[in-house]
Amino acid sequence: AQTVTQSQPEMSVQEAETVTLSCTYDTSENNYYLFWYKQPPSRQMILVIRQEAYKQQNATENRFSVNFQKAAKSFSLKISDSQLGDTAMYFCAFMKHSNTGKLIFGQGTTLQVKP
Amino acid sequence: SQTIHQWPATLVQPVGSPLSLECTVEGTSNPNLYWYRQAAGRGLQLLFYSVGIGQISSEVPQNLSASRPQDRQFILSSKKLLLSDSGFYLCAWSPGGGITEAFFGQGTRLTVV
Repeated sequence: AQTVTQSQPEMSVQEAETVTLSCTYDTSENNYYLFWYKQPPSRQMILVIRQEAYKQQNATENRFSVNFQKAAKSFSLKISDSQLGDTAMYFCAFMKHSNTGKLIFGQGTTLQVKP
Repeated sequence: SQTIHQWPATLVQPVGSPLSLECTVEGTSNPNLYWYRQAAGRGLQLLFYSVGIGQISSEVPQNLSASRPQDRQFILSSKKLLLSDSGFYLCAWSPGGGITEAFFGQGTRLTVV
């Protein structure tokens, strides 16, 4: 069975600085997807970034980028030039390549961006 | 474009009462549909998923059930709520076939008193 672990329950960063959120996972699958979702106080789950396991290149979406280390089963999220609107809970998630699309989530990291 | 609607946004129900949460998706056909639950300060846990009308898979034993009476409608139900059913419930959808990501509704906060 797959598991996803986020070892940082809470983090804080000053506005305009860079922060990295950690995520590790365990799987015997070779073909899968990894995601970072953002959950602001509104509780809406918003997809931040997606990584396909067969792609070696790290995904990037504007200020958000990942460091995907497949052998180490590590998938960290880097937020550059942090903004107050980045304050939220961030979830790392795993999806096996299949026709079911089931997501397995980590416990989440609460990020506070300070002015 | 595709949209997902989930209601109600909040619900307070007494123990032993029935439950019905509804989720509908617009702008797509034959989606995969999901119900997740989020306990306070925790990650999401998959409760049910459906790959087609009338096809429901349960991930965890529980007091809840799900139904998919129409292609883009997914309903979460209970005949008698327990205190432990309190939580934040999220509906989600994925494109059928080659699934690469999931999209979430705005959630329902359920408090059982």
